Amino acid sequence: GAGVSQSPRYKVAKRGQDVALRCDPISGHVSLFWYQQALGQGPEFLTYFQNEAQLDKSGLPSDRFFAERPEGSVSTLKIQRTQQEDSAVYLCASSPGYSGGNTGELFFGEGSRLTVL
Amino acid sequence: AQTVTQSQPEMSVQEAETVTLSCTYDTSESNYYLFWYKQPPSRQMILVIRQEAYKQQNATENRFSVNFQKAAKSFSLKISDSQLGDTAMYFCAFMKDAMEYGNKLVFGAGTILRVKS
Repeated sequence: GAGVSQSPRYKVAKRGQDVALRCDPISGHVSLFWYQQALGQGPEFLTYFQNEAQLDKSGLPSDRFFAERPEGSVSTLKIQRTQQEDSAVYLCASSPGYSGGNTGELFFGEGSRLTVL
Repeated sequence: AQTVTQSQPEMSVQEAETVTLSCTYDTSESNYYLFWYKQPPSRQMILVIRQEAYKQQNATENRFSVNFQKAAKSFSLKISDSQLGDTAMYFCAFMKDAMEYGNKLVFGAGTILRVKS
């Protein structure tokens, strides 16, 4: 498809389990962002990739959260030893990146809803 | 750090009428970008309208327009001729500079808009 694709759409995990969330950005997009959206709240920044380089991970809430984008396209957000407070929708967004014509618009996926029991 | 405030958690409007959603922000930057994003229930977030701070003219996109008051740090969204499909969560968002890589969006808490028939 032409849009940002995320999987799984829904994930239920028991407390203490590890989870992996996948993001397939729009082909050719340089920039990739992960956001966390708690119920009824606005998205909060987690981390940013420019191609395969993770340039900003200031929003990751703890060292249990890890993200990678090894070949500069697909990205995975991994959460180890999940806790109930990790329950949220995890949004991935991509953009072409600065190329002299960047509008700043981010293209979002539908999100992965994580529920930790 | 930048903050974005949306003071209306919920709004409703009758079909075909006009509604205005409020947003204020705080920043010390002189150049920046402001956005309104729409998030329909269980669907991905999409851009509604954007405004570059150095442009005095208010942005318009069909039925959507903004009232950008830079001195007051206010950025409201007006939806004219409301349609049932406008029912969604609306987020106001700030970006420091779209012409640089990796500048993240800072979101408000959102306003739920319900359009009634």
